[in-house]
Amino acid sequence: AQSVSQHNHHVILSEAASLELGCNYSYGGTVNLFWYVQYPGQHLQLLLKYFSGDPLVKGIKGFEAEFIKSKFSFNLRKPSVQWSDTAEYFCAVRVTGGGNKLTFGTGTQLKVEL
Amino acid sequence: NAGVTQTPKFQVLKTGQSMTLQCAQDMNHNSMYWYRQDPGMGLRLIYYSASEGTTDKGEVPNGYNVSRLNKREFSLRLESAAPSQTSVYFCASGPGGTSGNTIYFGEGSWLTVV
Repeated sequence: AQSVSQHNHHVILSEAASLELGCNYSYGGTVNLFWYVQYPGQHLQLLLKYFSGDPLVKGIKGFEAEFIKSKFSFNLRKPSVQWSDTAEYFCAVRVTGGGNKLTFGTGTQLKVEL
Repeated sequence: NAGVTQTPKFQVLKTGQSMTLQCAQDMNHNSMYWYRQDPGMGLRLIYYSASEGTTDKGEVPNGYNVSRLNKREFSLRLESAAPSQTSVYFCASGPGGTSGNTIYFGEGSWLTVV
């Protein structure tokens, strides 16, 4: 079965700092990759997704992620974070033909300080 | 446009009690899912329904049952609640079928079992 690893469990940054959150998955076949964000007390919202084409995908709120197939990675980046980016971020993978189920990483709690 | 609607939003149960979490989506999606979210563990799939009339176990199905009542509705039942089932439960839905489709989440149901 596929699995997803998010190695950074808690990240604290100052406003305007750059962000990179790591995500690695274990599955040798074709996958779709997602980043979701959960703001405090809210439900999950899609930040961005990759399913084919350009491995650098851009999402909402200035986030982007790069799919590196050789490294089984899909790291999330943002050049300059804002206080409002404080949230929990989840990486997820879906194996094509696997019933469209998403497998999530354990999440990264990001706190942005003023 | 309501999207994915879950009820109740909050519930406190005593050990051994039963309850049903309701979920409905108005996006004409084929696939529906139930996840639970626990601190440090991300989201784990309990059950899913790839299409109307089918249900399958996910990663953590023990202690739960589901019913895909029709295309819109997918309920999760706890027959005899245990403290280990204290969690936040998220229902989700997606078009299914072709890869790359986004899965949309409800706002969550906070369940406490005492």
